[in-house]
Amino acid sequence: EDQVTQSPEALRLQEGESSSLNCSYTVSGLRGLFWYRQDPGKGPEFLFTLYSAGEEKEKERLKATLTKKESFLHITAPKPEDSATYLCAVQLPSGSARQLTFGSGTQLTVLP
Amino acid sequence: EPEVTQTPSHQVTQMGQEVILRCVPISNHLYFYWYRQILGQKVEFLVSFYNNEISEKSEIFDDQFSVERPDGSNFTLKIRSTKLEDSAMYFCASSAGADTQYFGPGTRLTVL
Repeated sequence: EDQVTQSPEALRLQEGESSSLNCSYTVSGLRGLFWYRQDPGKGPEFLFTLYSAGEEKEKERLKATLTKKESFLHITAPKPEDSATYLCAVQLPSGSARQLTFGSGTQLTVLP
Repeated sequence: EPEVTQTPSHQVTQMGQEVILRCVPISNHLYFYWYRQILGQKVEFLVSFYNNEISEKSEIFDDQFSVERPDGSNFTLKIRSTKLEDSAMYFCASSAGADTQYFGPGTRLTVL
């Protein structure tokens, strides 16, 4: 079963049009939730790590938040260079496990 | 800023051939990982490596796969007898501890 679900699959925004991407997870006792940005043909680029419900992290136009069941990536006044696929990943609580389980991503297109 | 590097960027091989993908993790990191991403699909965990041994592996990481840290800087993934379904982007990642993993740019493996 899917443990990490991202929505929407794709999102088109006009430059300056703020929006949010969602990542919901079904595991309990989450060790950590990670947001990455992936450009076509490239590796995931680290954005944020969140560990506990209520935590928020911010970087430029991006802000990530975490609740007990989901995380949001808020994009304020996006620019065309923010166009990319945004990946959410969770680190499960089992033993010493450090593997990341990824969602399918949200493909964001910001139009000028 | 330190980064993970991978070589080659693109590898083309014939089915049944052996390939070795190479990675240089960030220098002070202790945990190393391989992930793969089949075109249009999620990023999937293959294996993690710590203290010169495999700490976790997924169902994908069968006897055809092996990893090695041959010296103090390189981390390799070997596929002994490639199959068509091994065609994918392979990403190396490293982390200092049990948290944020930093990914390399990937090696695109094409099996003909």
